[in-house]
Amino acid sequence: SQKIEQNSEALNIQEGKTATLTCNYTNYSPAYLQWYRQDPGRGPVFLLLIRENEKEKRKERLKVTFDTTLKQSLFHITASQPADSATYLCALGAGGGNKLTFGTGTQLKVEL
Amino acid sequence: NAGVMQNPRHLVRRRGQEARLRCSPMKGHSHVYWYRQLPEEGLKFMVYLQKENIIDESGMPKERFSAEFPKEGPSILRIQQVVRGDSAAYFCASSPQGNSDTQYFGPGTRLTVL
Repeated sequence: SQKIEQNSEALNIQEGKTATLTCNYTNYSPAYLQWYRQDPGRGPVFLLLIRENEKEKRKERLKVTFDTTLKQSLFHITASQPADSATYLCALGAGGGNKLTFGTGTQLKVEL
Repeated sequence: NAGVMQNPRHLVRRRGQEARLRCSPMKGHSHVYWYRQLPEEGLKFMVYLQKENIIDESGMPKERFSAEFPKEGPSILRIQQVVRGDSAAYFCASSPQGNSDTQYFGPGTRLTVL
């Protein structure tokens, strides 16, 4: 069955450092992979989408890589700030109009 | 431009009662998805609807759960005869069209079954 794994342990880093979160998947050939941010008691907020034929995508301080051979995506936040503290979810989709399959998320805490 | 709206934000029901959760998609969006997030678990897909049509209900429990998205008005997720295991956060997402990859989520409805 399809499986998406994200670091279950919380990631604590110091302000200004780069945070790197991992998303691994098995038994899936996604058309694209998305990253969302979720704050406590709120809905997920879309951050970035990367397609299967793309290696890397950037948006301001965010960078996503997608390796379909390793079946892995890395999500980087550079110059991290305490406001970046949240849970980050990776989600895979087979194509437009299809359901998203989510990982359980990684909690990031950026400390002063 | 208002985002996806869900109401109520919090809903408390006793075992055996019915729960009705409402979702108004973003303006111009005609595709709605419902997901459930159980404590300490990831978001799980339930159902995908277009106006007056259920496109994919592969994630819906076979009994007690139903969803609709009428021509006019919000999408409704209905849970009959709720049980404690139904306690969860229910999120609705919308997209402008079927081939849009990005889904925009609402704030969720937190259902508590006593």
